[in-house]
Order: sequence, then structure tokens, then C-alpha cells
Amino acid sequence: GIQVEQSPPDLILQEGANSTLRCNFSDSVNNLQWFHQNPWGQLINLFYIPSGTKQNGRLSATTVATERYSLLYISSSQTTDSGVYFCAVVRWSNYQLIWGAGTKLIIKP
Amino acid sequence: DAGVIQSPRHEVTEMGQEVTLRCKPISGHDYLFWYRQTMMRGLELLIYFNNNVPIDDSGMPEDRFSAKMPNASFSTLKIQPSEPRDSAVYFCASNLGGGYGYTFGSGTRLTVV
Repeated sequence: GIQVEQSPPDLILQEGANSTLRCNFSDSVNNLQWFHQNPWGQLINLFYIPSGTKQNGRLSATTVATERYSLLYISSSQTTDSGVYFCAVVRWSNYQLIWGAGTKLIIKP
Repeated sequence: DAGVIQSPRHEVTEMGQEVTLRCKPISGHDYLFWYRQTMMRGLELLIYFNNNVPIDDSGMPEDRFSAKMPNASFSTLKIQPSEPRDSAVYFCASNLGGGYGYTFGSGTRLTVV
């Protein structure tokens, strides 16, 4: 089955720093999504990005489907960016999201 | 749109009791998913519906779990009887097409004592 690997597993940064989170996937996919789970447990859909680049404020994402990876960029980090960032791809047979293990991000004031 | 709405936000119940979790998907979304999140197993798909019809329930852990979607705006996940190992956060999600743009509810944190 499809494997999804995220790195780094943990990241601690000072407020204002920039960061890059990586997601590697083992097979061709038509669908890749980035989620943020905040410290209160809410899962927020950040990007649906099967290929190309998208930007939303301080966050941007790039997926290179031919090389099977995606990157999430966070610029000028704020404490509210803390939480776990998940990458997920879709198993088309049953629309199940295949999740990476996540990157736990802590932004210190 | 108010997004995917789940209730209750927290539920504490005693072992053996029946628990019902509720979900209102985003209007117009044809797909509805129930997920469970635990520290040990991460996020697991329990069941999903397309146009109110259950399509895949292979993730439902056992017969104590059941889910229904009587109409396009409402779904329930029931556990009867509940056990301590059912303690988890249960998420409902919906989207327009099966693999695109999932929107998750705030989740229900279930504790079975």
C-alpha cells in the first residue's frame, strides 16, 4: 500500500522563524492534502495540492508529483502555528486518507 | 457555511452505556466520513457514506459500532455498549467528491470510564 513519511518528526522554533516540512509518498497519487491539528485538537485543511504550488498568507505548499514529495513552508512563524502538521493522500479504492505520522511544531515566543 | 458540526464536544460515560455521536456535514457535500483518532493508532477511517448510503464500513471495529445517515444533513455514530478502549476523539468529515478537499468537524472527545 501507499506509504506516507513526514519529516522532521519534531521541530522547535522561535517566533518569527521560517520552516519547511516535508512529505514523501511511495506511489503516484492524484490527491495530497496538508492539515494542521492545533493544540485544541481541531483538524484544519490547509491545502489540497496534488501538484504545483499554492500560497495562503504565510503558508505555502509545493508538490512535485513526479518525484513523490510535497513541502509545506511556514514563514514568520507565530505561536498560533504550533501543533501537528499532517500530510495525507487518498486511497482511491475507498477514499481513505492515508496519513503521515505528522510533524509536531512548537513555536516559542 | 458553519462547516462540519459535531456534537457533543465532550462525552464522559460509564462502561456499558450507549453513546451517540452526531454530525451535520456541509450542505451540498455528498460524502461523509467518520474517523477515530487515538495516540496508539492515529487517525482511522471507520465508515464513509456517499449520498446517505454507507459505502465502506470495513473500519468499524466491531458490532458494537453502528452508523447511520438518515438524510443529507445528519449522521450518527453509535456505540452500544461502550468500553474503556473506545475512548478516543471521533471526527466527522465531509467533501464534495470522495477524494477532494476534506473538511473536518471539531471532533467529539469520548471518555469511557
